[in-house]
Amino acid sequence: AQTVTQSQPEMSVQEAETVTLSCTYDTSESDYYLFWYKQPPSRQMILVIRQEAYKQQNATENRFSVNFQKAAKSFSLKISDSQLGDAAMYFCAYRSGQGAQKLVFGQGTRLTINP
Amino acid sequence: EAGVVQSPRYKIIEKKQPVAFWCNPISGHNTLYWYRQNLGQGPELLIRYENEEAVDDSQLPKDRFSAERLKGVDSTLKIQPAELGDSAVYLCASSFLGPANTGELFFGEGSRLTVL
Repeated sequence: AQTVTQSQPEMSVQEAETVTLSCTYDTSESDYYLFWYKQPPSRQMILVIRQEAYKQQNATENRFSVNFQKAAKSFSLKISDSQLGDAAMYFCAYRSGQGAQKLVFGQGTRLTINP
Repeated sequence: EAGVVQSPRYKIIEKKQPVAFWCNPISGHNTLYWYRQNLGQGPELLIRYENEEAVDDSQLPKDRFSAERLKGVDSTLKIQPAELGDSAVYLCASSFLGPANTGELFFGEGSRLTVL
């Protein structure tokens, strides 16, 4: 079974600075997707960024980018120019490219933005 | 476009009482998921539907939990009787499973259950 590990329960960063959240995963598959989801307090989980495993280029979405290291099974999220609205729980998630379509989530990292 | 709608948002019950949660997925999404999220943890899948069929319910505690997805649209998750350990947020999500599947799940705001 696939597992996702986020080793940083909490992170904090100064507003306008850059922060990197770590994620590692374990799988024997070659075809899969990786995601970062954001969950603000008492609000719904929303997709931040997605990476297809077959793509070598790292995904970027405005201030959010990933560092996808397939061989190392690492998938970190970098947030540049941090804003107060970025404060939330961030979850790394894995989905197989075939068969089961469920998302397997990590334990989450709580990100605090200091003004 | 309307998102995934869940109700109720909050529910407080005493142990051994029944409770039900309702989910209306995004229109056109054929796959529906129920996840349970304990405090400070990541969500864990309870059950996944493709249309009306429950294709993955291996993590659903079937002695007290049940779910249904009538007509392949709305879904209801029921707990009877509830136990103290069932206190959690129950998340519903939907996606479209097809050739252009991006794998993204769309989540509702969740139903927070407190069992006293």
